[in-house]
Amino acid sequence: GAGVSQSPRYKVAKRGQDVALRCDPISGHVSLFWYQQALGQGPEFLTYFQNEAQLDKSGLPSDRFFAERPEGSVSTLKIQRTQQEDSAVYLCASSWTSGSSYEQYFGPGTRLTVT
Amino acid sequence: DAKTTQPPSMDCAEGRAANLPCNHSTISGNEYVYWYRQIHSQGPQYIIHGLKNNETNEMASLIITEDRKSSTLILPHATLRDTAVYYCIVRSGGGAGNMLTFGGGTRLMVKP
Repeated sequence: GAGVSQSPRYKVAKRGQDVALRCDPISGHVSLFWYQQALGQGPEFLTYFQNEAQLDKSGLPSDRFFAERPEGSVSTLKIQRTQQEDSAVYLCASSWTSGSSYEQYFGPGTRLTVT
Repeated sequence: DAKTTQPPSMDCAEGRAANLPCNHSTISGNEYVYWYRQIHSQGPQYIIHGLKNNETNEMASLIITEDRKSSTLILPHATLRDTAVYYCIVRSGGGAGNMLTFGGGTRLMVKP
């Protein structure tokens, strides 16, 4: 079946612009995660949804970052007034449940470059 | 979640077994050991996980020491497509928000 998809795959934004990154999880997956991966580093957790509820947003680096999942399916990560330090790959992952023994399936990521 | 330590890089000859070590000396009783890998320009891919017992699937084997303070991921017959960064992750059991905490990983280079 279809995996996790993300769009766009690449995004170039000028400093100060707002961007919106989309994630389509695997159908029926309850849990959805966003991660940020800087060049040469491992992914870092941003936020977590269980269905439409955002249960953990402790990893969001500033109040310019906002995520939503209004119908418990597609999720959007929005970054307002982008800064150069926001340049990274943004990864989305989904899983069946929040239980620890269920693996997360990752999308290919969106590479954001802020100029 | 407990912290993990992995060598930054390793080489392996094609067709040979690749043995990737991981130390997790502060692991607690309800924490699982997970392995993911990330091939260049792709998202991380789940490989295998375990709690206490050794585990095997179609991709790899996971050997966890009896004291659970270290583990080894074994790719029995490495191919060039196994070249990737391999992440060992310790993850607590149960509850909401079971995010993955990635470290630096091991960059495995499989050579012809």
